[in-house]
Amino acid sequence: DQQVKQNSPSLSVQEGRISILNCDYTNSMFDYFLWYKKYPAEGPTFLISISSIKDKNEDGRFTVFLNKSAKHLSLHIVPSQPGDSAVYFCAASVLRAGKSTFGDGTTLTVKP
Amino acid sequence: DTEVTQTPKHLVMGMTNKKSLKCEQHMGHRAMYWYKQKAKKPPELMFVYSYEKLSINESVPSRFSPECPNSSLLNLHLHALQPEDSALYLCASSQEGEGAGSISTDTQYFGPGTRLTVL
Repeated sequence: DQQVKQNSPSLSVQEGRISILNCDYTNSMFDYFLWYKKYPAEGPTFLISISSIKDKNEDGRFTVFLNKSAKHLSLHIVPSQPGDSAVYFCAASVLRAGKSTFGDGTTLTVKP
Repeated sequence: DTEVTQTPKHLVMGMTNKKSLKCEQHMGHRAMYWYKQKAKKPPELMFVYSYEKLSINESVPSRFSPECPNSSLLNLHLHALQPEDSALYLCASSQEGEGAGSISTDTQYFGPGTRLTVL
């Protein structure tokens, strides 16, 4: 049973436009959500997170939205840049339980 | 220093070899993790150490043996591996283990990984 799902394996966007990456989860106990970015041959890098007590968190070009009733979160990148091309993993955890559950990842390609 | 380092970057070993992967962080983090990642798949948790004690073992075969000599170091000892164990092995750390007071404790900082090939 996959508790965190990223249903789009890939996404292609033109430079300057908005990228929207989606993530769904099934475990209602999850209360902390994170997005990681991964370049080839590197480890994942933390990007942005959101607690279940919020519905939006913004950091520069990156905004994460959480819809608890739908068990859905999304990452918005605007404007998208070619350097944003990477694999994006959504992760969810029960805060301080000691582990995160990762989605399968979405490969974002931003075209110049 | 916000870096997690891993050595070696690449490792090729035979099925009868014994080798070790090393991970180091100097951020004062008290939780450290080992993940295995296959191509086009998410990181798969193997072990979690919290305050230098093994707190989570995700039913990993005994041919993988973790060790946490101190709060900055995490090792993964490998023995009698199989070709299907070939993968990217990632180490991560986070601020604190149990009893943490900060909401950011679940944010993990990953190393670059060790690319392991078992022949």
